[in-house]
Amino acid sequence: ELKVEQNPLFLSMQEGKNYTIYCNYSTTSDRLYWYRQDPGKSLESLFVLLSNGAVKQEGRLMASLDTKARLSTLHITAAVHDLSATYFCAVDADAGGTSYGKLTFGQGTILTVHP
Amino acid sequence: DSGVTQTPKHLITATGQRVTLRCSPRSGDLSVYWYQQSLDQGLQFLIQYYNGEERAKGNILERFSAQQFPDLHSELNLSSLELGDSALYFCASSSTRGYGYTFGSGTRLTVV
Repeated sequence: ELKVEQNPLFLSMQEGKNYTIYCNYSTTSDRLYWYRQDPGKSLESLFVLLSNGAVKQEGRLMASLDTKARLSTLHITAAVHDLSATYFCAVDADAGGTSYGKLTFGQGTILTVHP
Repeated sequence: DSGVTQTPKHLITATGQRVTLRCSPRSGDLSVYWYQQSLDQGLQFLIQYYNGEERAKGNILERFSAQQFPDLHSELNLSSLELGDSALYFCASSSTRGYGYTFGSGTRLTVV
C-alpha cells in the first residue's frame, strides 16, 4: 500500500520567513502533485512534477521532486498572510502504467502565516 | 470556476437514506474520479471512470456505487447512509492530452 507522509502537519510562520514542507512517499513514482485548499473549498492545483529533479516555481512557492529519495519539497519564501491554507502533496500511484488518477494524498499541512 | 461542476453543494440527510451526487467534467475530459475527504480518513480515492467504463477502484464501500453516462457526466450513489459517511465528496476530471487533475468544488454531505 502506498503511503504518503507530509511534515510538518501544522506550520505557524511569521510573515517574511522561509520554510519547507516535506512529502515522503513509499513507492516508485515519477508523478507528484501539490494542491492548496482553503477551508471548505476545492483543491487548487499548484504544481505538477513529472520527473526526477523537476523544479517548479510560482511566486513565493517552489516545489521539487527527487524520485530516488522518494521526496518532494514545497519551499515557501518570504511568507505572506495570503498563503495561509492547507497544502497537500499527492502521488500518482499508477504513474508509468496504463492507468492514472489514483492519487494518494498526504495528510496535509495546515499553514498559518502571522503578521 | 474550474470547469468541473458538482451538484448539489450541500446535502443533509438522515441515516439509512440514499443520495446521488452529480459531476460534470471539464469539456473534453473523458476521465472522472471521485474522492472522499473526511477528518479521520483524509482525502481518499474512491473510483475512476473513463469514457463510461470503470477504470480503477479505491477504498469505495459496497454501499457506494458510481457510473458515467454517455454525455460523460458521472453520478456517485451512496446508500444506507451512516453518520461516518459525512464528508466532502470531490469529483475531478483529467484530459488525455496532458497531465494533472482538475477538481470540482465538492459536495458536502451531512448525515444526521
